Amino acid sequence: GESVGLHLPTLSVQEGDNSIINCAYSNSASDYFIWYKQESGKGPQFIIDIRSNMDKRQGQRVTVLLNKTVKHLSLQIAATQPGDSAVYFCAEAFSGGYNKLIFGAGTRLAVHP
Amino acid sequence: EPEVTQTPSHQVTQMGQEVILRCVPISNHLYFYWYRQILGQKVEFLVSFYNNEISEKSEIFDDQFSVERPDGSNFTLKIRSTKLEDSAMYFCASTPSSGANTEAFFGQGTRLTVV
Repeated sequence: GESVGLHLPTLSVQEGDNSIINCAYSNSASDYFIWYKQESGKGPQFIIDIRSNMDKRQGQRVTVLLNKTVKHLSLQIAATQPGDSAVYFCAEAFSGGYNKLIFGAGTRLAVHP
Repeated sequence: EPEVTQTPSHQVTQMGQEVILRCVPISNHLYFYWYRQILGQKVEFLVSFYNNEISEKSEIFDDQFSVERPDGSNFTLKIRSTKLEDSAMYFCASTPSSGANTEAFFGQGTRLTVV
């Protein structure tokens, strides 16, 4: 069946270091992969997405990498800041639908000064 | 910046009671969604809604659940007879259009506690 999951439930990094959050997915038919950030007490917030026909996309301090061969998605955060502390979810979406998102389990990123 | 707003932020209800969770999507958005997140677990899709009807629903969204857009601004989720396992954060989301590449905007959530 469909599933999107995460390798690491918790990631602790030092402020200024780069962070890498990983995600494995199982549905080859997904068209888009999205990373969401969820701060305590808030709803998920869009960070960056990538189409299935791409392997890399960069945003401001974030990069998403997609490896369809091994069905792996990662989010790289450069120069991690305390404000990056949150739970990060990967999600997948399918064209032709109504933007239903299938979320992974989440990774907590803790940034230490 | 426009945002999705949800009320109440926390709802406590007794098992078997009906609850209505309210959402005001972003004003020019056309597609509306409810998701839920059981404590410590992943966010799960419940239902999508467009043009005054359900466009897709998950197996979680059984006949105890219903959604409605009673006026031009509100979007509600009703649970007719709450169960303990309905305790979760419920998130409303909206998008301006359909399509997998359309960014979904989420509200801050309603924490539902069934006792």
